[in-house]
Amino acid sequence: DIQMTQSPSIVSASVGDRVTITCRASESVDSWLTWYQQKPGKAPNVVIYKVSTLESGVPSRFSGSGSGTEFTLTISSLQPDDFGTYYCQQYRSFPLTFGGGTNVEIK
Amino acid sequence: QLQLQESGPGLVKPSETLSLTCTASGGSVSSSTYYWGWIRQSPGKGLEWIGNTHNSGSTYYNSSLKSRVSISLDTSKNQFSLTLRSVTAADTSVYFCARLPSSRGAFDVWGQGTVVIVSS
Repeated sequence: DIQMTQSPSIVSASVGDRVTITCRASESVDSWLTWYQQKPGKAPNVVIYKVSTLESGVPSRFSGSGSGTEFTLTISSLQPDDFGTYYCQQYRSFPLTFGGGTNVEIK
Repeated sequence: QLQLQESGPGLVKPSETLSLTCTASGGSVSSSTYYWGWIRQSPGKGLEWIGNTHNSGSTYYNSSLKSRVSISLDTSKNQFSLTLRSVTAADTSVYFCARLPSSRGAFDVWGQGTVVIVSS
């Protein structure tokens, strides 16, 4: 199974800050990497898929980059609505696997 | 536009079988473009993929659950189902059903989730 490791597990940042979250895969996932945002009590929503493709309706302050085994989700200017837990997920091979999550808090 | 809705018992006894159904509306589970999957989340924990099914008959399962889980598709009812046998308290979770377009590799439509508690 491909293991997905996210860091950090918690980010506390102020409105307007640049926030970066990293996801590392135990082997190459090519470009099959998705980022989700989940808010308490809700289902996750896609933010970025295929490493860097912004989901429709997601603000352009979100961006994704990386290849192979190391990937990054960046929020260029953190906004109050960006709080929540962010997960990466690989689709390179079954079984599908998620990262452990990064909780983004607004200071 | 597609909506998914989970249904099933909210309380299951230890050692018994958990059975959930996901009903699709506004779209068809017969489409070969998509996988249909189940994901769960234990209280305060992260997301855990359970498995996916496809109209071709292909099914894929989480390695740690493979011996206890099965997922099936019922195109006549536009539903897909999850069965998890021999449950324990560790299976207490919110269970989500979701759609995954094979061309995108992302679960792009989710049900609202259903809470299942395993307790006697």
